[in-house]
Amino acid sequence: EIVLTQSPGTLSLSPGESATLSCRASQSLTGTYLAWFQQKPSQAPRLLMYGVSSRATGIPDRFSGSGSGTDFTLTITRLEPEDFAVYYCQQYGSSPGFGQGTKVEIK
Amino acid sequence: QVQLVQSGAEVKKPGASVKVSCKTSGYTFASHHIHWVRQAPGQGLEWMGWINTGNGIPNYSQKFQGRLTITRDSSATSAYMELSGLTSGDTAVYYCARGGAMNAPPFEYWGQGTLVTVSS
Repeated sequence: EIVLTQSPGTLSLSPGESATLSCRASQSLTGTYLAWFQQKPSQAPRLLMYGVSSRATGIPDRFSGSGSGTDFTLTITRLEPEDFAVYYCQQYGSSPGFGQGTKVEIK
Repeated sequence: QVQLVQSGAEVKKPGASVKVSCKTSGYTFASHHIHWVRQAPGQGLEWMGWINTGNGIPNYSQKFQGRLTITRDSSATSAYMELSGLTSGDTAVYYCARGGAMNAPPFEYWGQGTLVTVSS
């Protein structure tokens, strides 16, 4: 079973700043089956990125993903008020799994 | 447009079973697996399993083996998640999500969630 560990647990930032979220896998991911989700209270998760660096439909280009092997990053430039939320990484191989989440909160 | 609509909230007693439905529309049902994910109050996302909607073969997380049954009814373009032996630890919002396919990323579409509360 692949375990995903996200850091930091909480990121306190101001609108307009950039956010860098990390996701580390317990073993190297085969292929590029790594996704990122945004979740706001009482809402279903929203797909942001898939295949490490492909943006889902309608996702603005201030969101970008990178990484390979065991280390992956979601970068959000120029934080907008609507970007403050919890973010999860996910590996979607044969037995998908999620990281524990990073909360991006307003400083 | 693609939609996944889940059944309503449930309250169950410990030891009981719950069955949640996920009605899909707007795409070819057999072309995408259906996944089930749950989220306990204030906690993160937990993948439970998926079903190949084409052949009906499920794949379960080891954690839920023996307690989870995922089925599908192609004629109704619906998938179902049944969890037995409920405990308070199963209190959560349960989501269905559409799997990927060629030119379609996985987990792009989600149901609205179904709150299952386990309480005596």
